[in-house]
Amino acid sequence: RKEVEQDPGPFNVPEGATVAFNCTYSNSASQSFFWYRQDCRKEPKLLMSVYSSGNEDGRFTAQLNRASQYISLLIRDSKLSDSATYLCVVSRGGTSYGKLTFGQGTILTVHP
Amino acid sequence: SAVISQKPSRDICQRGTSLTIQCQVDSQVTMMFWYRQQPGQSLTLIATANQGSEATYESGFVIDKFPISRPNLTFSTLTVSNMSPEDSSIYLCSVPKGDTQYFGPGTRLTVL
Repeated sequence: RKEVEQDPGPFNVPEGATVAFNCTYSNSASQSFFWYRQDCRKEPKLLMSVYSSGNEDGRFTAQLNRASQYISLLIRDSKLSDSATYLCVVSRGGTSYGKLTFGQGTILTVHP
Repeated sequence: SAVISQKPSRDICQRGTSLTIQCQVDSQVTMMFWYRQQPGQSLTLIATANQGSEATYESGFVIDKFPISRPNLTFSTLTVSNMSPEDSSIYLCSVPKGDTQYFGPGTRLTVL
């Protein structure tokens, strides 16, 4: 079983749609959780960190359920520019600070 | 933030040869990491580049295949040795700063 699992998609949605991505992780020692975005032929960039209390950044909302070892990302009012691969990422922190484990990524295409 | 550059940006190499990839950060950082992204896959951590000591390798990666140097706090190199077509990947260096991991633009390697 992979340490971080995501639905690879692809998700094809119209502009303005709401889309949700899910992710599960297997290592209960994981301490930090993130969503990264990777555009085609570019490096990954941090979209947002994920906290147990949930956090929101504009149209993006991330949730963490430690009991279920489940992470989600919700994108509201999708824009064409949201088209990218979304990577679920976990870190064990502590002595593993900076060592990230990536999910396989979920491909999102937003069309007019 | 951190600005990271990598050289070369891409290369096409013959099997059996070696390629050294350079990573330069615009500020001193304690930790630097090397990741690999194989075609159609997500990122996998290769090793931690430690300044003043040998790199620490993840399971499945060995020093003979991926020797790493870290001569100072702003620079590191990764060598891909005795290359085979299976080494065709994007190689990225990264540095953590606070809660964010910054990635270099990547080196796209094709081995014929």
